[in-house]
Amino acid sequence: GQQLNQSPQSMFIQEGEDVSMNCTSSSIFNTWLWYKQDPGEGPVLLITLYKAGELTSNGRLTAQFGITRKDSFLNISASIPSDVGIYFCAGQLEYGNKLVFGAGTILRVKS
Amino acid sequence: ETGVTQSPTHLIKTRGQQVTLRCSSQSGHNTVSWYQQALGQGPQFIFQYYREEENGRGNFPPRFSGLQFPNYSSELNVNALELDDSALYLCASSLENPRGNELFFGEGSRLTVL
Repeated sequence: GQQLNQSPQSMFIQEGEDVSMNCTSSSIFNTWLWYKQDPGEGPVLLITLYKAGELTSNGRLTAQFGITRKDSFLNISASIPSDVGIYFCAGQLEYGNKLVFGAGTILRVKS
Repeated sequence: ETGVTQSPTHLIKTRGQQVTLRCSSQSGHNTVSWYQQALGQGPQFIFQYYREEENGRGNFPPRFSGLQFPNYSSELNVNALELDDSALYLCASSLENPRGNELFFGEGSRLTVL
């Protein structure tokens, strides 16, 4: 079945640093989504990408949909303590279809 | 806040028992999906309901079943509970969008099977 490889598994960075994480797949996806999950809560949607090559920003977050449609990355600029959490990428094959999630990147921020 | 509410938030069951989890979707959303998230993993798709009918199913056995009601709320039922069913169960609702389907998740129901 489809699998998403998300890296790194975890990061421990200094407040103010930029963060980069990515997701690769053996399959092509039509839509990529990035979510953040805090302990004990559900995932919160950060960014949705609809088109290969698309670059989208949401505040300090920037994500790109890879040209091959098999990868995506998420950057966080000038990290702050509230960025701590688990970041998940998710791919969607077609409209209305299921999301396939990566295993997540755990982000910890030292202030 | 996504407007997706789930109940109960936590529950404990024993092996062999049955459980029903409930979800109210965000206003105007007519599609509900259920996901299982084991500890330390990403969510796994269980099934999706659209206009009260199952519309896609993941790799879960038939003892996982669901319903969607006319007001678009939904239930997830799991029979003959096993220890491995212990997980966070997430409900997500979505709005029809020709460009793709953004899913908005509730906070989940944490199920522990002893």
